[in-house]
Amino acid sequence: DTAVSQTPKYLVTQMGNDKSIKCEQNLGHDTMYWYKQDSKKFLKIMFSYNNKELIINETVPNRFSPKSPDKAHLNLHINSLELGDSAVYFCASSQQANQPQHFGDGTRLSIL
Amino acid sequence: GENVEQHPSTLSVQEGDSAVIKCTYSDSASNYFPWYKQELGKGPQLIIDIRSNVGEKKDQRIAVTLNKTAKHFSLHITETQPEDSAVYFCAASGGTYKYIFGTGTRLKVLA
Repeated sequence: DTAVSQTPKYLVTQMGNDKSIKCEQNLGHDTMYWYKQDSKKFLKIMFSYNNKELIINETVPNRFSPKSPDKAHLNLHINSLELGDSAVYFCASSQQANQPQHFGDGTRLSIL
Repeated sequence: GENVEQHPSTLSVQEGDSAVIKCTYSDSASNYFPWYKQELGKGPQLIIDIRSNVGEKKDQRIAVTLNKTAKHFSLHITETQPEDSAVYFCAASGGTYKYIFGTGTRLKVLA
């Protein structure tokens, strides 16, 4: 069983479009995250949620809006996509802060 | 701001040799230091972690050392095998739900 699953795996779309990425974890963890990994492999945190509440927003543009309907899900909606949004987006979860994180296999977003 | 420096960016070793990757963190409040391995097309996977009350931790061929005074921590892989080839990331966290990752080390184990 996949612990952290995200869909879709690949997303190719035009500049200006709106798209969503979904994430689900079956580990019973309280905390979920979104990360962005650029072409140089730099891994940067975007958002942290604990018990469905936003804890960390790392100066991410307002075009990015995370939503956590319950502790097992953290979705990411992106409005007005720009070329610079092209990257691999990873969802992760952990039991609490300062605990091992479990990552999904990523969503590769390509903006044409 | 918080920063984690990681060196080297690439590392090639012969099969059976040891590999060492080093990280330096800036935030004195950091107290949890995980290491992740990322294979092509996959997400990072935790391989070992260490907390600030411990100086060294070992798990089979993998070990991590921590020097809190110098704010350094290192990953040691002994008897490297081709399947150890991947990108390795260090990270630091101070309990604020924020993990700062290093810039990654691409390890190649030559058969």
